[in-house]
Parts: sequence; C-alpha cells; structure tokens
Amino acid sequence: ETGVTQTPRHLVMGMTNKKSLKCEQHLGHNAMYWYKQSAKKPLELMFVYSLEERVENNSVPSRFSPECPNSSHLFLHLHTLQPEDSALYLCASSQTAPGTGNGYTFGSGTRLTVV
Amino acid sequence: RKEVEQDPGPFNVPEGATVAFNCTYSNSASQSFFWYRQDCRKEPKLLMSVYSSGNEDGRFTAQLNRASQYISLLIRDSKLSDSATYLCVVNGWNSGYSTLTFGKGTMLLVSP
Repeated sequence: ETGVTQTPRHLVMGMTNKKSLKCEQHLGHNAMYWYKQSAKKPLELMFVYSLEERVENNSVPSRFSPECPNSSHLFLHLHTLQPEDSALYLCASSQTAPGTGNGYTFGSGTRLTVV
Repeated sequence: RKEVEQDPGPFNVPEGATVAFNCTYSNSASQSFFWYRQDCRKEPKLLMSVYSSGNEDGRFTAQLNRASQYISLLIRDSKLSDSATYLCVVNGWNSGYSTLTFGKGTMLLVSP
C-alpha cells in the first residue's frame, strides 16, 4: 500500500448510529489532518495531529471525535450526527519540517450520508 | 475578506485554448502556495507549487505576486483531460506544523 488510504469509501448512517472513519498513511509523514468538504464550500480543516498530538481543533462539534494512536493512523469517531454533516471527509498527511512548506497528500475520502 | 478567494467559474473553453485562473489571499504572512486539482467526486491532488519567481511545468505556469497577494495559473493548449476544479491553496505555519487553507475552486470545462 502506498500514499494515504481511507476506509470506508462510502458510509450511510442513521442519526443515532456510531461509526468510525479510518485513515492510514504510508509516507512516513509526521502530521495528519481531517478535512470536511461540503457541496459548494471550500475544504474545512477539522483537526490537526502533529507527532500524534492534537494541535488544532477547529471548533468542531463534539459529535466528531478524532483519535491518533500513532503517526500512521488517524480515526474519526462519529456519533449522533445530523443530516447537515453529510459531506466528503478527507484525510491528509504531510511532513512538518519547518521551512519546507510541503503540500499535503490526500486520501480518497469517505463520502458520508446521514439519514 | 475570505482567506482564499477564487472565481468559481465554470470556465468553458475549447480544446487548444489558453485559460488563466486567479486567486487572492488575505494572510500576508502566508509562506507557501499551491494549485491543487480536484476531479469530480475525487480527492484533491497537488498540481504544482507556486514560487515567487514564477514556475512552469509543461503547459502549466504559476505566478505569485506577494505585494498584491495574488496567485495565478495559466494553462496553455487545453486538453479535454484538463476539465476539473482547480483549487488555490495557501499555507501558513503555526507552532511548527503547517496547515493549508483552500479556496472554493475554479471549475474548468474543456470541450471538443
């Protein structure tokens, strides 16, 4: 496996369900991110983990709960979501070495539909 | 003012045409700049970085004007496969990690 892989690719869940999104990066990067992409909106940064430590929580509702057990894996735990949470959820990774300003590598995303 | 602003388009051009996209950003402290490409229902992929001196990659040329906080992307000899949404992306540094701020994107449709 190479790059950044996300599972599942598609998810339909009811508002009372609990589910988790998984992301794994095979690039040796030190930082991982969750972004949300809704229709007609720019990508919105949700969470940032650097060296397995959460460094940013971008005012995300508590029904979204991230977990980063190691530098290669990132999870997004979902519970009691709302229909407006339906979106494409993208995981990304990058190196954090200061001054390099590297871009991110994205996973394919999980398309979430809340019914 | 939005952090990264782009004309959403769509830009409809015939094959072979030259098309230019512009982008403005609000954070004067931004240090790195990128253009990403996103195909329909797919993830964004890095197209090219943007350097102060301007840079070219085949048919694609990117320019940065720090004084005006303005970034551009020029595509020459458009191909059908260039049809996609082009995202202007600006990077900033916080406490040793980088975050990217994305524009909404400009949609390009290249027709035969």
